[in-house]
Amino acid sequence: AQSVTQLGSHVSVSEGALVLLRCNYSSSVPPYLFWYVQYPNQGLQLLLKYTSAATLVKGINGFEAEFKKSETSFHLTKPSAHMSDAAEYFCAVSLSTNAGKSTFGDGTTLTVKP
Amino acid sequence: KAGVTQTPRYLIKTRGQQVTLSCSPISGHRSVSWYQQTPGQGLQFLFEYFSETQRNKGNFPGRFSGRQFSNSRSEMNVSTLELGDSALYLCASSPRVGGNTEAFFGQGTRLTVV
Repeated sequence: AQSVTQLGSHVSVSEGALVLLRCNYSSSVPPYLFWYVQYPNQGLQLLLKYTSAATLVKGINGFEAEFKKSETSFHLTKPSAHMSDAAEYFCAVSLSTNAGKSTFGDGTTLTVKP
Repeated sequence: KAGVTQTPRYLIKTRGQQVTLSCSPISGHRSVSWYQQTPGQGLQFLFEYFSETQRNKGNFPGRFSGRQFSNSRSEMNVSTLELGDSALYLCASSPRVGGNTEAFFGQGTRLTVV
């Protein structure tokens, strides 16, 4: 079984500031980890994924995440927030054989202040 | 390449009725998954289909069912609708099964039960 915990349902940053969205996972086997973004009334879009290659993963829109096995974490960061980054972000975990059965965190809403 | 298409985008139904939602995956994708998204429960996995076979099923009552056709298009059906079934229903397709494969989401169908 696997689970995901996203710490902080709401995060607010100023434009240009560092974005840090936290995700911790629990998995009985080595996991695959994903970050998705959702804009209002839209589906989810993949930002990046970890699939056991490099532990530092770079994604779209300047986001990156680092897989830390010792901390069971996969936090999402972006050096400088932009107004267009305001959205809801979901961390997800899946196991080796169940791509379609991802377990999602509760989501973190990112607000970017001018 | 066209994305995942879900129809209809919005739907209003009366308690006790049934509803069918449709999902056309990205061309060439054979795996289709369905999720229910609500403010209280977040994103919850409903089921996954691959090559017309249900591979995984979430913890939902039997009122929720689905199927996949030979062209990979999928439908989900909810019978005897309840107020609590009001949600955004998201369909996602993947080119193959396997935990390292990301899901491509449609924009969802917003179901309101009155």
